Formats: sequence, structure tokens, C-alpha cells
Amino acid sequence: GENVEQHPSTLSVQEGDSAVIKCTYSDSASNYFPWYKQELGKRPQLIIDIRSNVGEKKDQRIAVTLNKTAKHFSLHITETQPEDSAVYFCAASILNFGNEKLTFGTGTRLTIIP
Amino acid sequence: ETGVTQTPRHLVMGMTNKKSLKCEQHLGHNAMYWYKQSAKKPLELMFVYNFKEQTENNSVPSRFSPECPNSSHLFLHLHTLQPEDSALYLCASSQEPRIMGKNIQYFGAGTRLSVL
Repeated sequence: GENVEQHPSTLSVQEGDSAVIKCTYSDSASNYFPWYKQELGKRPQLIIDIRSNVGEKKDQRIAVTLNKTAKHFSLHITETQPEDSAVYFCAASILNFGNEKLTFGTGTRLTIIP
Repeated sequence: ETGVTQTPRHLVMGMTNKKSLKCEQHLGHNAMYWYKQSAKKPLELMFVYNFKEQTENNSVPSRFSPECPNSSHLFLHLHTLQPEDSALYLCASSQEPRIMGKNIQYFGAGTRLSVL
């Protein structure tokens, strides 16, 4: 089955600096890669996603890049703000018996230092 | 607030108790999921229901028993749990997992379960 690895597990950056979180996946058939943000005590929420036919996608301060050859994808947050502090999860999706199935990474706890 | 509601938010139970977790979605989705979230572990998919039919059981112990009476409601019945089952249990729904691009998952706030 699919295996998703996520690094680093914790990340602290100064407010205003950039943060990068990286994920690798094992199954080359995976073709959908969402990123979820989970604030303390709250539900995971989708913040950005990318499909395998695209190499990069950007939404304001957040961007995701995908390298299908190397089987890795990354989340980039620029001009970080205190409200960016949360746990971020990457995931990879594969068709499993006709259904899309998400496999999640272990999460990255991002702390923005004011 | 999203359209996925879970109750209760917190639950403490003994190993001999029987309890149930409830999830309800108001998004008109066809698929519902149970995930287990433990500290320092990835979100673990437990069960998937698509159009009320279970399409995935991810080797979950039989002390967890799911029930999906319709596309909007999902239950997780718990009995004779172990302390290591203590975790956050998240419910999610998606529109249509058989169609690529229709599987964005929306999560509930979770039930924090403690087994004593």
C-alpha cells in the first residue's frame, strides 16, 4: 500500500520568515495530494491541494510543489504569521478498488515565533 | 463551522463499558469515514462507507463496530476497549470517492476518547 513520510515533525520559524514542509510517497499511482491544517483542539481543514498533472499551485501565502519523478511534494508558507501555528498534514491519494483513498503523513507541528 | 458534527466531544469510559460515537454530515455527501488520531502517529483510516455500504475495514479490531444507517449518519460502537484505544476519533465525509476530484474530505471536530 501507499506510504507517506513527512518531515520535519516540528518546525519553529520567526514571524515573517518562510516555512517548508516536505513529504514523500511510495506509490507512483498516487495522483492527488492535499494538505490539511489542524489548529489546537480543532478539526483538520483542507488548505491547498494539487493533482499530478500540475507541478505547482499557489494560493496567496501558501504554495505546494510536486515532483512526480522523485515522488515528493512540499508545502511552502511565506511571510508567516502567528495564526499559521498549527499541525500540518500531507496526504496522498490512490484509487483503491475503485475508491480514492487518502494516506496521511505523521504531521508537522509548526510554531511561529512572534 | 463545517457541516460535519460529532458527538460527544469528550468521552471517558471503562474497559467494560459500551458506548457509541455519532457523526452527522449536512453536506449531501455520499461517503463517510472514521479515522483514529493518536499522538505522533499519522491519521489512521479505520472504516469507509460509500452509499451506506462499507467499502473498507482497515484491519480494525472487532471491539470497534461501525454502523451507517444512511448517507448522513455514521456511528462507531465501542465495547471492551483497551487503554491504548484512547485517542481522538475523527469522522469525515466526501462527495464521491469513486470519481477523481470529488474526494475532498471534510472533517468533524472529533471525539476525544479516554479509556480507563
